[in-house]
Amino acid sequence: DAGVTQTPRHEVAEKGQTIILKCEPVSGHNDLFWYRQTKIQGLELLSYFRSKSLMEDGGAFKDRFKAEMLNSSFSTLKIQPTEPKDSAVYLCASRAWGNTGQLYFGEGSKLTVL
Amino acid sequence: GDSVTQTEGQVTVSESKSLIINCTYSATSIAYPNLFWYVRYPGEGLQLLLKVITAGQKGSSRGFEATYNKETTSFHLQKASVQESDSAVYYCALSDMPNYNVLYFGSGTKLTVEP
Repeated sequence: DAGVTQTPRHEVAEKGQTIILKCEPVSGHNDLFWYRQTKIQGLELLSYFRSKSLMEDGGAFKDRFKAEMLNSSFSTLKIQPTEPKDSAVYLCASRAWGNTGQLYFGEGSKLTVL
Repeated sequence: GDSVTQTEGQVTVSESKSLIINCTYSATSIAYPNLFWYVRYPGEGLQLLLKVITAGQKGSSRGFEATYNKETTSFHLQKASVQESDSAVYYCALSDMPNYNVLYFGSGTKLTVEP
């Protein structure tokens, strides 16, 4: 079975641009998460979807970050407008229904904002 | 809110030596959180190493162990004899009421095992 697929793997953006990161979860998984990973903060939760419904979003990320789940097999994370402090690795993870804790992560999208 | 603290950002250990990576947690609910260790090997995605959902219990996987200690609010990761292949980044995490579905992670500890 395919794991979690994230694209692009690397993205370079100018300050003020809009970028869209994409995620395909493991087939059949009901939960989808977006995390931001930095060396200092570690993993910070951006969004959590269950069966395409937004269940939780990171309060600190609401203004310029928007995650959507267009269907059960595809999600996007839009950052608009980007700022240099957004430079990080963005991780997508999915989980089967009722399986608390066992998250399956993608390899991440590394974003650099100049 | 809930949080997880890993004090060491990087740890270097010689092969066959013992290892301990520290993790302490803070949970806001009166119920005990679920605790996890995740690992990211070079070139791979983050993956679950072990989990413990009951206070006082020990989890183990691939030679690693972690004991859920509610008195000291700790969940340290230990291994008696490390190998080069254990070199990776290790993340401690918890989930807690009211939403056990969401995991909160620490900042990670990069382990380098020297030959």
